[in-house]
Amino acid sequence: SAVISQKPSRDICQRGTSLTIQCQVDSQVTMMFWYRQQPGQSLTLIATANQGSEATYESGFVIDKFPISRPNLTFSTLTVSNMSPEDSSIYLCSAGTSGEYEQYFGPGTRLTVT
Amino acid sequence: QKEVEQNSGPLSVPEGAIASLNCTYSDRGSQSFFWYRQYSGKSPELIMSIYSNGDKEDGRFTAQLNKASQYVSLLIRDSQPSDSATYLCAVIKAAGNKLTFGGGTRVLVKP
Repeated sequence: SAVISQKPSRDICQRGTSLTIQCQVDSQVTMMFWYRQQPGQSLTLIATANQGSEATYESGFVIDKFPISRPNLTFSTLTVSNMSPEDSSIYLCSAGTSGEYEQYFGPGTRLTVT
Repeated sequence: QKEVEQNSGPLSVPEGAIASLNCTYSDRGSQSFFWYRQYSGKSPELIMSIYSNGDKEDGRFTAQLNKASQYVSLLIRDSQPSDSATYLCAVIKAAGNKLTFGGGTRVLVKP
């Protein structure tokens, strides 16, 4: 299974600012995804990070709010833009290899917006 | 109807007993099914995957899949206090590779 790291592990940000979260995988993977887990809730998929092209967003999530980059097969970033307290959540990236379908998660980034 | 449904629990199990967790899904064409374990404050950890009808065993864990009835279950044998966690059922629908998660079942194993 892939080993995934995320930076930062946590942050406290002021409303109106932006935060970029990095996700690094220790091997080349086909699939990378970004999820949000709000307090006491399950995981919700934000978008699929596509290598070399625009991310594919799920209903309710837009590129202006959550721009995503994926410059290569091992790295992706998620930016949470113009933050409000409602964005306080844990943001997780996952990775997997096509044909296997199994996805492994990074440790997450705990974001608090004040 | 939610796409993936689980009883939120908590499911309280004595140490050494079997914990039985259930999950139902709405998309009849779903092909891939997963169980993740999530400790408080940690990220989900994949513990089982199952793709065909029947049982799949891995150590103390057994996943069971019944596509006709659209449910998948997880049995934890000889439950230990370290099994206390939230267990998330996840499904990949027929087309694509995106995981859809259930709400999770909280399991408490009491010594």
